[in-house]
Amino acid sequence: DVKVTQSSRYLVKRTGEKVFLECVQDMDHENMFWYRQDPGLGLRLIYFSYDVKMKEKGDIPEGYSVSREKKERFSLILESASTNQTSMYLCASSFPGTGEQFFGPGTRLTVL
Amino acid sequence: SQQGEEDPQALSIQEGENATMNCSYKTSINNLQWYRQNSGRGLVHLILIRSNEREKHSGRLRVTLDTSKKSSSLLITASRAADTASYFCATKNTGGFKTIFGAGTRLFVKA
Repeated sequence: DVKVTQSSRYLVKRTGEKVFLECVQDMDHENMFWYRQDPGLGLRLIYFSYDVKMKEKGDIPEGYSVSREKKERFSLILESASTNQTSMYLCASSFPGTGEQFFGPGTRLTVL
Repeated sequence: SQQGEEDPQALSIQEGENATMNCSYKTSINNLQWYRQNSGRGLVHLILIRSNEREKHSGRLRVTLDTSKKSSSLLITASRAADTASYFCATKNTGGFKTIFGAGTRLFVKA
């Protein structure tokens, strides 16, 4: 079974803190994604990576950065957390060219 | 910007009934997918239909695609309480790398 794991299920941080969210997949997928999910807005793509050290901005990259040093690991970084970044963060991975994405369980981040 | 928009936003039915959810999108697509999300969890891929396909089945799921109307429907037959979840359509545009998700339909199946 494909497994995508995320470092935390729940996280509480303070405004201005630097936050790291980690995602690891075990299926040798080239593509990895970070989304945020907010009520009524569906999933919005933050960043996408199609290979090690390669990244593309999604629809809402402002306030975020990413790191992909190894194929199986994709990190999302909030440089200086703000309250409007309180959200559910979902990581996903896939092979290129296929539609199917495999999702992690999500991290619910609260920024106070 | 959102590509897929699901309708209805919420649906409540009795166990054993069929549930139909619709999705509309705006641009040319390569494929359309449906995902399920149980409360507070990640999404699980259900089914993918390519732009040159009109209908696809998987167990109790039936998906149709009408590219002329830019719409798709997901039918769950003989629903069960365990089908209670949010359902999302997602489109992969022609020539793009992104998969764009709609806001979802919340399905509640009463036992």
